[in-house]
Amino acid sequence: ETGVTQTPRHLVMGMTNKKSLKCEQHLGHNAMYWYKQSAKKPLELMFVYNFKEQTENNSVPSRFSPECPNSSHLFLHLHTLQPEDSALYLCASSPGQGGQETQYFGPGTRLLVL
Amino acid sequence: QKEVEQDPGPLSVPEGAIVSLNCTYSNSAFQYFMWYRQYSRKGPELLMYTYSSGNKEDGRFTAQVDKSSKYISLFIRDSQPSDSATYLCAMSVDDYKLSFGAGTTVTVRA
Repeated sequence: ETGVTQTPRHLVMGMTNKKSLKCEQHLGHNAMYWYKQSAKKPLELMFVYNFKEQTENNSVPSRFSPECPNSSHLFLHLHTLQPEDSALYLCASSPGQGGQETQYFGPGTRLLVL
Repeated sequence: QKEVEQDPGPLSVPEGAIVSLNCTYSNSAFQYFMWYRQYSRKGPELLMYTYSSGNKEDGRFTAQVDKSSKYISLFIRDSQPSDSATYLCAMSVDDYKLSFGAGTTVTVRA
């Protein structure tokens, strides 16, 4: 596997379910990001981790809980979501060492909350 | 006022035409400017990266940044059907936290 991978690619869940999204990067990067992409809206930055430490929480509701066990893996734990949380959730990574921090994106997880 | 404004289109052009895309922004502290291309069912991929003002050319793609007007542009020359995608502008103060436009959907007709 190369680049940034995300699983699952599609997820349907009820409002009472608990699920997790997984992201893995094979680029040797130290910074990882979660974004939400809704139709016709700009990508919204949710969380940033740099060297496994959370450096940004962009006022995200607590029903979204990130976890970064190491620099290669990032999870987004979901519980008691709302239908308006249905969106494409994108993971990205960047070198995290200063300089040009080009972000490389995964293919996303398409989430539908019923 | 949104931090980054981008016309969502859609934009439809014939093959070989020049595609012109632009974004305006309100935060004068932005100094890193990017254009991403996103194909259907894929994540965004970086197309062009510019620091501060000026022009940058890469093959058929030219990115322009005018910080005095808070305006950035992307031009695609000799457009191809494979250029059909959504183009997202992005910018940041610190090169970490990106602010994105809503994206412009482009279709190049064969």
